Amino acid sequence: EVQLVESGGGLVKPGGSLGLSCAASGFTFSPYTMHWVRQAPGKGLEWVSSISSSSSYIYYGDSVKGRFTISRDNAKNSLYLQMNSLRAEDTAVYYCARQTEAFDIWGQGTMVTVSS
Amino acid sequence: SYELAQPLSVSVALGQTARITCGGSNIGYHNVHWYQQKPGQAPVLVIYRDTKRPSGIPERFSGSNSGNTATLTISRAQAGDEADYYCQMWDSTTVVFGGGTKLTVL
Repeated sequence: EVQLVESGGGLVKPGGSLGLSCAASGFTFSPYTMHWVRQAPGKGLEWVSSISSSSSYIYYGDSVKGRFTISRDNAKNSLYLQMNSLRAEDTAVYYCARQTEAFDIWGQGTMVTVSS
Repeated sequence: SYELAQPLSVSVALGQTARITCGGSNIGYHNVHWYQQKPGQAPVLVIYRDTKRPSGIPERFSGSNSGNTATLTISRAQAGDEADYYCQMWDSTTVVFGGGTKLTVL
């Protein structure tokens, strides 16, 4: 079965750090550009970051630029998001997603709560 | 930065046709994709490249895109179609989502 499984979410204080992981299975991970998309409680989808197949091209949304770092390990079929200097407004469900022409496969999401 | 405008909510009677719009400047020149998201679940791709349906998506779902408006059409609406729907496109190297539309089936 083709699937993405996120992990690493939790409660963190403002200014703190957290690392998310996304494990891919059921397909060949390495050729695909991968993304992180988040959704604050009761709000819409917000794109966070993308990384190309060989990590040559990396992009970030304006709201996380300079604080978040995306990476991947093709040998481990895994995508990562390192989040630093977290703010209350970063509270959201974080999804990883596979890009073909669109986002054709999504994980189930992992919740990140930033609160003191 | 590019913005996509969606109505907050759309209502449709059971068995009738629902149309959800996604507005943007010259959006017809871009490929638009649509996602369905039910409460507590991850989004699901229902239309890509304006009009294409992924395997497993019913033919009742269709899309169009011209001028300044892309449209997702759901024919013969069912109770199970109640969900939030998001349009999405690429703006150069970044991703843009519409604000989402809540579809209610009456």
